[in-house]
Amino acid sequence: AQSVTQLGSHVSVSEGALVLLRCNYSSSVPPYLFWYVQYPNQGLQLLLKYTSAATLVKGINGFEAEFKKSETSFHLTKPSAHMSDAAEYFCAVTSAGGTSYGKLTFGQGTILTVHP
Amino acid sequence: DSGVTQTPKHLITATGQRVTLRCSPRSGDLSVYWYQQSLDQGLQFLIQYYNGEERAKGNILERFSAQQFPDLHSELNLSSLELGDSALYFCASSVGGTSGTDTQYFGPGTRLTVL
Repeated sequence: AQSVTQLGSHVSVSEGALVLLRCNYSSSVPPYLFWYVQYPNQGLQLLLKYTSAATLVKGINGFEAEFKKSETSFHLTKPSAHMSDAAEYFCAVTSAGGTSYGKLTFGQGTILTVHP
Repeated sequence: DSGVTQTPKHLITATGQRVTLRCSPRSGDLSVYWYQQSLDQGLQFLIQYYNGEERAKGNILERFSAQQFPDLHSELNLSSLELGDSALYFCASSVGGTSGTDTQYFGPGTRLTVL
């Protein structure tokens, strides 16, 4: 079975500050990892994904994440927060093995608040 | 706009009733996924269809069923509704469905309220 733990249900930063959203995964097979963002009253939008190529993945809107197998982590970062980054962020895991196919297992989400 | 459409946007109904949620995938996508988002359970995978065939099943109740039609649109049927079924139901689609690397594109969701 696969699982994702997002540390911190709420993160608050000032505009221009570093954004760091933490994600740890558990998987018995090589994982594929995703970060999605959800704005109020909208669906989920993919920010970036790791599919076993480069461990440092760059996504949209200046976000990036690094896959660290030894730490079973896939933390999301952005050097400088913008007011428009305020949203809920979800980390998700899947794999190609077994019966998982494309089934995404999500973390509980982290709400990012950006203060002026 | 992801290209995935879901209807209706909102649905209010009573306990014991049955509803149907509809999803049209992005043009060219063969896989459709259904997810439920609730405050207590978070985002949970329900079921996946690939080119008309059921491919994977998650935490889907027996009262719930789904299908994917020849034109690739999908319907999620929820019956004998309970208060706890109130949630946001998302549909997602992807080009393939046999590997884990495909990006899933999410629709805007259907908000179901059971009174």
